[in-house]
Amino acid sequence: KAGVTQTPRYLIKTRGQQVTLSCSPISGHRSVSWYQQTPGQGLQFLFEYFSETQRNKGNFPGRFSGRQFSNSRSEMNVSTLELGDSALYLCASSLYGTGMNTGELFFGEGSRLTVL
Amino acid sequence: TQLLEQSPQFLSIQEGENLTVYCNSSSVFSSLQWYRQEPGEGPVLLVTVVTGGEVKKLKRLTFQFGDARKDSSLHITAAQPGDTGLYLCAGTDSWGKFQFGAGTQVVVTP
Repeated sequence: KAGVTQTPRYLIKTRGQQVTLSCSPISGHRSVSWYQQTPGQGLQFLFEYFSETQRNKGNFPGRFSGRQFSNSRSEMNVSTLELGDSALYLCASSLYGTGMNTGELFFGEGSRLTVL
Repeated sequence: TQLLEQSPQFLSIQEGENLTVYCNSSSVFSSLQWYRQEPGEGPVLLVTVVTGGEVKKLKRLTFQFGDARKDSSLHITAAQPGDTGLYLCAGTDSWGKFQFGAGTQVVVTP
């Protein structure tokens, strides 16, 4: 069974640009969550999508957005990049979504974004 | 704001020693999970605890959920180099949203 796939794995952008990251969840999983990971801050929750609907959202500015397609694949977009957006962006899929609080999150390897 | 505080932030020990990592919060969680993340990879679930006072063992790893469901600990007995990694605790709030701690970096040297 294929795991969670994130693309691209690494990317470098400059301030003011925008970026789109992609996540393909495990087959059959309907929930996709996105997290930002930085040293010292741990994983900060961005948003969760379940069956193409955003179900939860973290405390990030509107420059951070996402969507989910009918095949459960998800994308997140960051516009007007800032230096502080440099981080590892992790996508996690789960079968039932975070509403089932004992559900397991399956993480991808992440997309490492560097903003210069 | 980090709702889950993990301590210590960094731990370096010799192979064969024991270690304990703590995860504390002022909030009550419906459940708590521990993940381990190795360099270049995403976190992988180790255990889920849901009942206050619950203790779970996974080989040399012992996980405990506090009676009030606000804190947890992870104890590793006779650590091995393969235990090296970033240990993350994650609590689920009443809305089903996961809250992660900043993690404890554990390094076990041969």
